[in-house]
Amino acid sequence: EVQLLESGGSLVQPGGSLRLSCAASGFTFSNYAMTWARQAPGKGLEWVSGIIGSGGGTYYADSVKGRFTISRDNSRNTLYLQMNSLRAEDTALYYCAKGHVSYHYGMDVWGQGTTVTVSS
Amino acid sequence: QTVVTQEPSFSVSPGGTVTLTCGLSSGSVSTTNSPSWYQQTPGQAPRTVIYNTNTRSSGVPDRFSGFILGNKAALTITGARADDESDYYCLLYMGGGIWVFGGGTKLTVL
Repeated sequence: EVQLLESGGSLVQPGGSLRLSCAASGFTFSNYAMTWARQAPGKGLEWVSGIIGSGGGTYYADSVKGRFTISRDNSRNTLYLQMNSLRAEDTALYYCAKGHVSYHYGMDVWGQGTTVTVSS
Repeated sequence: QTVVTQEPSFSVSPGGTVTLTCGLSSGSVSTTNSPSWYQQTPGQAPRTVIYNTNTRSSGVPDRFSGFILGNKAALTITGARADDESDYYCLLYMGGGIWVFGGGTKLTVL
């Protein structure tokens, strides 16, 4: 069974940094694209960042480009999102999602999310 | 910046059929955009329903089908049930590794 467990969310001040993790199990992690998406309170889903299986390709929404960095450790079956220069508008529930072998097929299985609150 | 458009809300009777759509503020949706659809009930994580335009995710009943309808992506639900009442989000691939979600459609079954 595919399982994704996000962690690392917390309350952080504007301008601060945070690193989210997503521990994956139940599949061959290195074969699959992975994604971070978020959902602000009461709002819709927003795609944040994606990474191909090898880690050789990384992609970002304009809203986070230059501030967030996605990475993966295929030896630890773990996906990361390093978030710097956080803003109030980054406050959201952050989901990790397993993709497909092809990056171009979107998301497959979703985690339960971890909450990031940016506030002074 | 291109916006992905969805109906804000839709209503269907139990047992009925409903088609939700997903368009672009500029241009047409095609299979190149690899449309996918996600179902989300309040307080729950999203669940993948359709990916790559028309492929049902594992465990999704064949009451759900995805396709291209004119210049939009579409999701049809037949034999609507009370537990289909959810928010439905479409996701489109824009090229260059970038994906964009639509604003979501709140589906009511009554």
